[in-house]
Amino acid sequence: QVQLQQSGPGLVKPSQTLSLTCAISGDSVSSNSGAWNWIRQSPSRGLEWLGRTLHRSEWYNEYAISVKGRITISPDTSKNQFSLQLNSVTPEDTAVYYCGRDPGLGMAFDIWGQGTLVTVSS
Amino acid sequence: QSALTQPASVSGSPGQSITISCTGTSSDFGNYNYVSWYQQHPGEGPKLIIYGVTNRPSGVSSRFSASKSGSTASLTISGLQPEDEADYYCSSYATSNTLVFGGGTKVTVL
Repeated sequence: QVQLQQSGPGLVKPSQTLSLTCAISGDSVSSNSGAWNWIRQSPSRGLEWLGRTLHRSEWYNEYAISVKGRITISPDTSKNQFSLQLNSVTPEDTAVYYCGRDPGLGMAFDIWGQGTLVTVSS
Repeated sequence: QSALTQPASVSGSPGQSITISCTGTSSDFGNYNYVSWYQQHPGEGPKLIIYGVTNRPSGVSSRFSASKSGSTASLTISGLQPEDEADYYCSSYATSNTLVFGGGTKVTVL
């Protein structure tokens, strides 16, 4: 049974970096068929895909245009997890952040983390 | 990319069928068959109910079906039940290996 367990702070100050981690059990971040994603949800922006990391003989990262330049998604094979870093946050980045697995269904997420409410406020 | 367009709300009586539309552009739907649908109950995370335009994951009720024609995808819920009351979101693979979501549709069971 695949599970994703998120961790990270729920409060970040403006201009600082949002950092979240998603620990994987029952699957591997190095899977050659899956992809590991970050998605966020807010009342103002709805559901928004942020990016993904995937391994296909080498590592690839793909990011949404809306956050490109501020976002880094990194795999950690030693801990079987992946992380999200979002730099220079503003109150508009306040949202529930989810990690999600695409097992090779064409950017469809069958397993989601529990969600982390991140508030950007001083 | 712009979000896909969904109606804000759809309602129906128990036992009825309802259809939720999801409209995009040729850069979203046009050349891809990677449309997904999610169900989200209040306070919970989204649940995948359709992938690859028409496919249901194991365990998802056959009352959920979906299709796509041109730049519009549709989700149909047959035999509407009280537990179907939730928010529903479509998503589609888009250009440059990105993903776009719809704005969501609130389904109310009357």
